[in-house]
Amino acid sequence: DAGITQSPRHKVTETGTPVTLRCHQTENHRYMYWYRQDPGHGLRLIHYSYGVKDTDKGEVSDGYSVSRSKTEDFLLTLESATSSQTSVYFCAISSDTDNQPQHFGDGTRLSIL
Amino acid sequence: QKEVEQDPGPLSVPEGAIVSLNCTYSNSAFQYFMWYRQYSRKGPELLMYTYSSGNKEDGRFTAQVDKSSKYISLFIRDSQPSDSATYLCAMRKGYQKVTFGTGTKLQVIP
Repeated sequence: DAGITQSPRHKVTETGTPVTLRCHQTENHRYMYWYRQDPGHGLRLIHYSYGVKDTDKGEVSDGYSVSRSKTEDFLLTLESATSSQTSVYFCAISSDTDNQPQHFGDGTRLSIL
Repeated sequence: QKEVEQDPGPLSVPEGAIVSLNCTYSNSAFQYFMWYRQYSRKGPELLMYTYSSGNKEDGRFTAQVDKSSKYISLFIRDSQPSDSATYLCAMRKGYQKVTFGTGTKLQVIP
């Protein structure tokens, strides 16, 4: 199994509160990704990182920010959570070599009431 | 219309059956094709990774890509109850982002 740990695994919070999800990898891979998974939509890319302090937006980035201060950690922040951000969030990683596939963590279930 | 279409199922088969899972796509530029297996409350797990057209076999699993028809398949031989999961197809052009299907839920009945 790829060494990816997501925390917390479950979280319930209220609308308007800030939330930070953490992804930690032990593979020393360059690329890290945040996805959300919702019924009928599949996996949608929120943000990704191609190196320390290098990040870019995905297709559903509104309302989310990310940071990567170390190779092994990629943080996803919801500045002011809304009910539409209730979802399962997955972190993925891929190596620096040509066109390698992504490997996923086990996700964080986030409920915003 | 979505770039990648996948029948959501559920697909129920008896143990030992051959399972065929399929995806169609509209972007002819896709070059890399993947199948992931996802168990309930777990992350997607990479099963097969192929480049361009052709077949790839790994144990009981065979991935098939037909770029002329924009159609990919995953075959599972001698299906087992432990194969019960949701199967996601995914594809990519070069270094661009991966596009995922919405998944097909498979149930193998003992």
